[in-house]
Amino acid sequence: KQEVTQIPAALSVPEGENLVLNCSFTDSAIYNLQWFRQDPGKGLTSLLLIQSSQREQTSGRLNASLDKSSGRSTLYIAASQPGDSATYLCAVAAGGNKLVFGAGTILRVKS
Amino acid sequence: NAGVMQNPRHLVRRRGQEARLRCSPMKGHSHVYWYRQLPEEGLKFMVYLQKENIIDESGMPKERFSAEFPKEGPSILRIQQVVRGDSAAYFCASSYDRATNEKLFFGSGTQLSVL
Repeated sequence: KQEVTQIPAALSVPEGENLVLNCSFTDSAIYNLQWFRQDPGKGLTSLLLIQSSQREQTSGRLNASLDKSSGRSTLYIAASQPGDSATYLCAVAAGGNKLVFGAGTILRVKS
Repeated sequence: NAGVMQNPRHLVRRRGQEARLRCSPMKGHSHVYWYRQLPEEGLKFMVYLQKENIIDESGMPKERFSAEFPKEGPSILRIQQVVRGDSAAYFCASSYDRATNEKLFFGSGTQLSVL
């Protein structure tokens, strides 16, 4: 059974800092891994999708890496801003058509 | 393109009533997924549907829950005889192709509160 763990559960940083969010999964047989952002009372926004054959994806200040063999992914956020404050969710597409989500990392960027 | 639309945003029901949650996928998307987020927990997969077909309902509770995605109209998640434990945020997502191949686009969710 696929399990996804995210560390840390919460993170508070001053504006401008670079930060790393971690995601690990127990079964390396995945099709892809996605990072989402969830704002309070709102839905999820897909940030980056990494296919199983890829090592990383970049979008603006965000960079996500994938090491399938070790079951790990990291989301790197450069030069953090208060607007980055949200919950960040990692999810893997494993067997079947479902995504398995981690519990998320709550990020707060202080101005 | 309006994105994935869910309604209502908030739904209050008393124990024993029925709850109907609606989801209109993005234009051109024929794959719909329902997820549930219980308080303090991550999102859990419930069901995956294509037009007129349930493909995977392995995450659906065996009783009181049902889902449909008719040829015309939105996808409906129906919960009969609701109990307090059904209180949660229910999210719908859609994709053009299967989730194993591409991004899912999520709606803003329906917050169900059972009194």
